[in-house]
Amino acid sequence: GQQLNQSPQSMFIQEGEDVSMNCTSSSIFNTWLWYKQDPGEGPVLLIALYKAGELTSNGRLTAQFGITRKDSFLNISASIPSDVGIYFCAGQLRSGYALNFGKGTSLLVTP
Amino acid sequence: DAGITQSPRHKVTETGTPVTLRCHQTENHRYMYWYRQDPGHGLRLIHYSYGVKDTDKGEVSDGYSVSRSKTEDFLLTLESATSSQTSVYFCAISESVGFYYGYTFGSGTRLTVV
Repeated sequence: GQQLNQSPQSMFIQEGEDVSMNCTSSSIFNTWLWYKQDPGEGPVLLIALYKAGELTSNGRLTAQFGITRKDSFLNISASIPSDVGIYFCAGQLRSGYALNFGKGTSLLVTP
Repeated sequence: DAGITQSPRHKVTETGTPVTLRCHQTENHRYMYWYRQDPGHGLRLIHYSYGVKDTDKGEVSDGYSVSRSKTEDFLLTLESATSSQTSVYFCAISESVGFYYGYTFGSGTRLTVV
């Protein structure tokens, strides 16, 4: 599959801080998605992006689909302890194709 | 919760034995996927299905086979389990019509091969 480079690998922040993570690829994707995984559970979809340049928010989360279609970022504002988990980016070449996942960003938030 | 169930949730098995993991959905979704998750590797696609009896290989398919005889069930079989197949296995489903709505994942099966 197409390799996605997700960074940073891990983040350790204080409650209230903003967080930014990103994902890059050598290939163009038609769809970018961001997932969150809590311990012992499967990933859950946070945000889906369908158009280059698109900026989408979901509460304190904001994600953007890069203009080149080879990257995406996710921002979390005013982090809280329940934001702890692993965040994955995923790209899809086109409808019906399987998703390619990044290796994840592990987020720890201290009160 | 979306109607997707994986069984068993945990399994310990011996090297060389066959193992079958089950994914069951009640959503009537067309696409089903098996991924494995390992530290440092993220989620890697093993096999997927785009309909009954229609399956294809993913990037890490060696040592695994799948079957889908009904829309609702997608089985993953480790033909002869090895220690390198110790992992957490996730099933996912999706219905791809027009815009892409993303996968829904099961809660995972933690498999240990000793």
